[in-house]
Amino acid sequence: GAGVSQSPRYKVAKRGQDVALRCDPISGHVSLFWYQQALGQGPEFLTYFQNEAQLDKSGLPSDRFFAERPEGSVSTLKIQRTQQEDSAVYLCASSLVGDSHTYTQYFGPGTRLTVL
Amino acid sequence: GQQVMQIPQYQHVQEGEDFTTYCNSSTTLSNIQWYKQRPGGHPVFLIQLVKSGEVKKQKRLTFQFGEAKKNSSLHITATQTTDVGTYFCATTGGSYIPTFGRGTSLIVHP
Repeated sequence: GAGVSQSPRYKVAKRGQDVALRCDPISGHVSLFWYQQALGQGPEFLTYFQNEAQLDKSGLPSDRFFAERPEGSVSTLKIQRTQQEDSAVYLCASSLVGDSHTYTQYFGPGTRLTVL
Repeated sequence: GQQVMQIPQYQHVQEGEDFTTYCNSSTTLSNIQWYKQRPGGHPVFLIQLVKSGEVKKQKRLTFQFGEAKKNSSLHITATQTTDVGTYFCATTGGSYIPTFGRGTSLIVHP
């Protein structure tokens, strides 16, 4: 079946612009994660959804970042008033409901955001 | 959350040589996952280890979880150019949120 898809794949924004990044998880996957990956680093957790409920947003770097998953499937990560330090690859991953011993995360291709 | 340190950051090998990357923690880990990310690609889940001393193999890849559950290793035998990429370890620390290491980038010279 189809994997996790993300759009757009590349986004160039001028500083101060708002952006919206979309994630389509694997059908039936209850859990959805957003990560930020800077060049040469591992993915950094941003937020986690279980169905439509945002259970953890502790990784969001500022109140300019907002994520939603209103119907428990597609999710959108919105960044308001983008800054140059927001430039990174934003990864989405989904998984079946799992505890700490049984989950497998499937990552999407990511959206590379460049803020000028 | 739990932190994991990976070494080395980079590793250059000649095709056919072996490769090992290490993942270390100062605290006991509930689990370790390993991911591979090809250049320009996204992380792909390889395996999860949960038991003390666990060893799992996938073809030329051998994964180990230390007896004290504070370290793990990934060993590739007879590297091929298709092994090029960055290998990340990650742990969920008993929750659902994984913490990733910085990764080890493997460069294979033909």
